[in-house]
Amino acid sequence: DLQMTQSPSTLSTSLGDRVTITCRASQSISTWLAWYQQKPGKAPKLLIYKASSLESGVPSRFSGSGSGTEFTLTISSLQPDDFATYYCQQYNNYPWTFGQGTKVEIK
Amino acid sequence: QVQLMESGGGVVQPGGSLRLSCVVSGFIFSSYAMHWVRQAPGKGLEWVAFISDDGTNKYYADSVKGRFTISRDNSKNTLYLQMNSLRVEDTAVYYCARDPVDVGVGYFDYWGQGTLVTVSS
Repeated sequence: DLQMTQSPSTLSTSLGDRVTITCRASQSISTWLAWYQQKPGKAPKLLIYKASSLESGVPSRFSGSGSGTEFTLTISSLQPDDFATYYCQQYNNYPWTFGQGTKVEIK
Repeated sequence: QVQLMESGGGVVQPGGSLRLSCVVSGFIFSSYAMHWVRQAPGKGLEWVAFISDDGTNKYYADSVKGRFTISRDNSKNTLYLQMNSLRVEDTAVYYCARDPVDVGVGYFDYWGQGTLVTVSS
């Protein structure tokens, strides 16, 4: 199966900071990558698809980039609502697989 | 608005069976592929199963292949997951999720709130 590796696993950060999360695929997935946000006890929420396309209704401070094997999710200025766990997911190959998650917490 | 509502979770002994349901509203169910995704307590997300819009195509994770069966009833706007021969490692919150494409592209644009399945003796 295609492996997705996120870094870091935990990110301690402050309001207003620029945050970057990296996701690496074990083989090329072109731009078939999605990003999700999950808060405790809640379902994941789609943020980004096709590596850089912003899902409708998602704030513009979220952006995605990358292709091939390396991808990033950037939050331009961290807001209180953004403290959560973020997952990348590849949909180039079946079975579809997720990264292990990055928890963004308050410093 | 789009809504997905899972039910059917609970506590079951190893080797037992359970059927999960996901009732949807707010969109034309028969026009979208659907998935089940699970999350073990304190762990990450794991894709479990896929079904195309008309039920013709089905895929499963290796971890559940031969034990779980995904199905749908488009007349009832309902997705199902029949889980047999349950193992302790199947303990998780199970989410139904919509694929944005009828034949399936493989990501998930809407999710239910999840239903907890606990496999324990």
